[in-house]
Amino acid sequence: GQQLNQSPQSMFIQEGEDVSMNCTSSSIFNTWLWYKQEPGEGPVLLIALYKAGELTSNGRLTAQFGITRKDSFLNISASIPSDVGIYFCAGQRYGNNRLAFGKGNQVVVIP
Amino acid sequence: DADVTQTPRNRITKTGKRIMLECSQTKGHDRMYWYRQDPGLGLRLIYYSFDVKDINKGEISDGYSVSRQAQAKFSLSLESAIPNQTALYFCATNSGLAGYTGELFFGEGSRLTVL
Repeated sequence: GQQLNQSPQSMFIQEGEDVSMNCTSSSIFNTWLWYKQEPGEGPVLLIALYKAGELTSNGRLTAQFGITRKDSFLNISASIPSDVGIYFCAGQRYGNNRLAFGKGNQVVVIP
Repeated sequence: DADVTQTPRNRITKTGKRIMLECSQTKGHDRMYWYRQDPGLGLRLIYYSFDVKDINKGEISDGYSVSRQAQAKFSLSLESAIPNQTALYFCATNSGLAGYTGELFFGEGSRLTVL
């Protein structure tokens, strides 16, 4: 079953604000991935993290691989309306061929 | 054109009917997956296949079956659809090459409604 915890399930933010979300697990992961799903589409990879402590940016997005290897964080700076969507975290454990997914975080940006 | 194509994109059917969702990919990946998405439950793995001769059950395989017809094709069947199988279904692929990190590439989804 799913091993990743994402909270809250939904977030309503004002345009221009920063938003942070996290993903935690009781297990150690060696890869963390963050996906975004826009309405009517499949999830698309935003950022991939491969080393504990790694901090990676993709435009206004920044993600970090927690040093304990049990969590990851995603930040969106200066939110815009097109940031709306569901953000999923996913992790891969060493020796496991499948990804575990969080339940997703619905982000709504209020103009 | 999309690298991972699902058909149909939308389907409404009745309880007891047999339904097949098809997936084809042009990425040359050997691994293919079927996920189900329900509001508040995220993505749950139904079946996955690491090559043409390999089929594995995921978290929620009951009521579903799959067929890997070729490296590029992976279909999901509901032998006798029931209303609680109403959901958004995603096909995904990735590479099994040594050292590959496991990133999944998703299709656009197939929305199934069972009345």
